[in-house]
Amino acid sequence: GEDVEQSLFLSVREGDSSVINCTYTDSSSTYLYWYKQEPGAGLQLLTYIFSNMDMKQDQRLTVLLNKKDKHLSLRIADTQTGDSAIYFCAESPLAGGSYIPTFGRGTSLIVHP
Amino acid sequence: KAGVTQTPRYLIKTRGQQVTLSCSPISGHRSVSWYQQTPGQGLQFLFEYFSETQRNKGNFPGRFSGRQFSNSRSEMNVSTLELGDSALYLCASSLGGRSYNEQFFGPGTRLTVL
Repeated sequence: GEDVEQSLFLSVREGDSSVINCTYTDSSSTYLYWYKQEPGAGLQLLTYIFSNMDMKQDQRLTVLLNKKDKHLSLRIADTQTGDSAIYFCAESPLAGGSYIPTFGRGTSLIVHP
Repeated sequence: KAGVTQTPRYLIKTRGQQVTLSCSPISGHRSVSWYQQTPGQGLQFLFEYFSETQRNKGNFPGRFSGRQFSNSRSEMNVSTLELGDSALYLCASSLGGRSYNEQFFGPGTRLTVL
């Protein structure tokens, strides 16, 4: 079955690093994603990683993938108040000719000044 | 390039009524997916349309249906509304080819069922 789990809340101080963790169950997942949702808005894809990669870095964002443990993490360096949002982890195998992500429940990141 | 647009943004209905939500994808995108977001169940996949055909379907009852037009615009319909259908309905579009294509999400339609 498919299940993506992540902690519900994370609180950090501005300027610190944030690490959001996620575990998934579908070993056939080809792509793993991190999305961001701000209040009143839809989801914005932050970054994704292909399953044969261990790490991906994009400016302040670092994604680490441990495929053996089915563990995905998102590190945000120098966290700013504007990073306060809900962060969703998602996985997707190829199904029916497309990649449909299965989402976790989301982690609310609260950044204190 | 305009993003994904959804109309209406907010909707209030009563139990037993039906509702139609609309999604206009990014120009050139042929795939449209629909998701339901609730505090209790999180984000759940409803269905995906590609070139006017339903390509994937989630685990929702038959009261939830959709369609896609030749211009790739999509509608979803919920009949005989229940209180539990209150949710944020998100639409996402992508190019839709067989290789990975990023999904772009609209702002959603907030449906409240009274």
